[in-house]
Amino acid sequence: KAGVTQTPRYLIKTRGQQVTLSCSPISGHRSVSWYQQTPGQGLQFLFEYFSETQRNKGNFPGRFSGRQFSNSRSEMNVSTLELGDSALYLCASSLDATGDQETQYFGPGTRLLVL
Amino acid sequence: AQSVTQLGSHVSVSEGALVLLRCNYSSSVPPYLFWYVQYPNQGLQLLLKYTSAATLVKGINGFEAEFKKSETSFHLTKPSAHMSDAAEYFCAVTYGQNFVFGPGTRLSVLP
Repeated sequence: KAGVTQTPRYLIKTRGQQVTLSCSPISGHRSVSWYQQTPGQGLQFLFEYFSETQRNKGNFPGRFSGRQFSNSRSEMNVSTLELGDSALYLCASSLDATGDQETQYFGPGTRLLVL
Repeated sequence: AQSVTQLGSHVSVSEGALVLLRCNYSSSVPPYLFWYVQYPNQGLQLLLKYTSAATLVKGINGFEAEFKKSETSFHLTKPSAHMSDAAEYFCAVTYGQNFVFGPGTRLSVLP
């Protein structure tokens, strides 16, 4: 089974621009979560999608948004980029068959640099 | 709020020595517990997970962790460190549908 894939792997943007990152979960996985990882803040939860609905949300401003498609693929969007948005963005998928949060499988991440 | 603490942001061991990475969580209800490893420029890889079946959990690459409810701990150990174990290790806990990660411990293995 193919793992979680994320595109693009690397991205350079300038302040004020917007960016869209994509995540394809493991086949059959219905839950997709997004995390931001920075040296100073560590791993921070952004949001989680399940069956095309945002089920959980972390403490990030509204500039960060996401969506999930019927095939469980997910995108996250960051508008009006700030220098502090430079980070590794990780996507994780889980089967979520029981309704509880199960093992999350991570993609390689998208490294975003904002200049 | 639920939290996960990892004592020691950086741990150094000699090759062949015991590896001990500490994780404590705050919860009155036994949660699901995980250890993940992250190599440079890569995503997180699952090492092992505890789901109440057994308190001693064996994972990949010779790692294991023991769940101790009385201490709210889930420390990660490996009897003999290898150079390839150098990476960052994250402890994570689930509370219902929420996944909470610890701050991570960077493991260095010295020759």
